Amino acid sequence: DAGVTQSPTHLIKTRGQQVTLRCSPKSGHDTVSWYQQALGQGPQFIFQYYEEEERQRGNFPDRFSGHQFPNYSSELNVNALLLGDSALYLCASSLGLAGRSDTQYFGPGTRLTVL
Amino acid sequence: AQSVTQLDSQVPVFEEAPVELRCNYSSSVSVYLFWYVQYPNQGLQLLLKYLSGSTLVESINGFEAEFNKSQTSFHLRKPSVHISDTAEYFCAVKAAGNKLTFGGGTRVLVKP
Repeated sequence: DAGVTQSPTHLIKTRGQQVTLRCSPKSGHDTVSWYQQALGQGPQFIFQYYEEEERQRGNFPDRFSGHQFPNYSSELNVNALLLGDSALYLCASSLGLAGRSDTQYFGPGTRLTVL
Repeated sequence: AQSVTQLDSQVPVFEEAPVELRCNYSSSVSVYLFWYVQYPNQGLQLLLKYLSGSTLVESINGFEAEFNKSQTSFHLRKPSVHISDTAEYFCAVKAAGNKLTFGGGTRVLVKP
């Protein structure tokens, strides 16, 4: 049973560039959430996708956008990169929006470094 | 809005000694509570969760946590730690919607 996978593992960009991160959810899951984890901090919720729509969003600017595909995989796009966007980006998958108890399972993350 | 406070940023502990990681949360509605563990250069792994029922929940590797509604706490304990328990531990809550709100993490360093 494949878990949550993310690509790439590491990425180095320069300020002002754009980046796309990818996530495949755990088998059987249909909901994908994205989190940003800055060094030495806990993860911060960016947004969540279900049925190819953004369902909930955290306190992140519009430079952060996403997409979910019919196969439930998801992309996170960040435009006009800033130094402060350097972080570990974590993808989590879960099943549906109906139950508040749904557990989120995390991928290994993508380490983004902005120079 | 919810918030989570992990009172200790670092906890050094000797192997085979007990450890307690403290977690307090703030929420105006009922919540579900989680502990995740993060090993170096890895993502988060679910350690245990409280959804309802018994306030004491256990993991398969010897950790336990107790939900205390009156004190809004969900402290994590292990009676005897191993070197392999060296990691960062995150407490998280989920209320309305599906987003998780995390604490700042507690780094556990197990010394031989």
